[in-house]
Amino acid sequence: DIQMTQSPASLSASLEEIVTITCKASQGIDDYLSWYQQKPGKSPQLLIYDATSLADGVPSRFSGSRSGTQYSLKISRPQVDDSGIYYCLQSYSTPRTFGGGTKLELK
Amino acid sequence: EVQLVESGGGLVQPGRSLKLSCAASGFTFSNYYMAWVRQAPTKGLEWVASITNSGGSTYYRDSVKGRFTISRDNAKSTLYLQMDSLRSEDTATYYCTRDITTYWYFDFWGPGTMVTVSS
Repeated sequence: DIQMTQSPASLSASLEEIVTITCKASQGIDDYLSWYQQKPGKSPQLLIYDATSLADGVPSRFSGSRSGTQYSLKISRPQVDDSGIYYCLQSYSTPRTFGGGTKLELK
Repeated sequence: EVQLVESGGGLVQPGRSLKLSCAASGFTFSNYYMAWVRQAPTKGLEWVASITNSGGSTYYRDSVKGRFTISRDNAKSTLYLQMDSLRSEDTATYYCTRDITTYWYFDFWGPGTMVTVSS
């Protein structure tokens, strides 16, 4: 199985910061990487697919990138509404595996 | 508007069975792969099973293989998950998701249905 090591596990950031969350894949996944945001008591919502493509309706302050087998989600000038838990997902091979999640708190 | 609504969750004893349903609307159901993803209380997300648009092929994580069966009725726009020989570790919220096969991601998720396996 492909392991997705996500970091940090939790993060507190101010509204002026640039927030970066990373997922390192245990092997190459050919950019079959998506990012999701989950708010308390709600189902996850798609943010990024194909490592860098922004999903419909997602604000442009969210962006995705890759360096080798490390994938990053960046939030530029986050809003209070961006608080929640973020997950990456690799869909290169079965079983599809999620990262452990990053809990983001905005202060 | 795409809508996915799960039902069928509840409290069940270990070793018993439960069948989840997901009613889809707002899109041509038969054109899309579908999947189930679960989340144990206070834990992360875990892919459970996927099915092709025709229902001809199915895929499972090892821990549910032989116990769970994913299926669909395209005439009813409904996805199912038959769960047999349930274990306490199957306790989770189960989400129905639409699976986009161009780049392989889940673009819409239902609100989820909670399954609790306990005596």
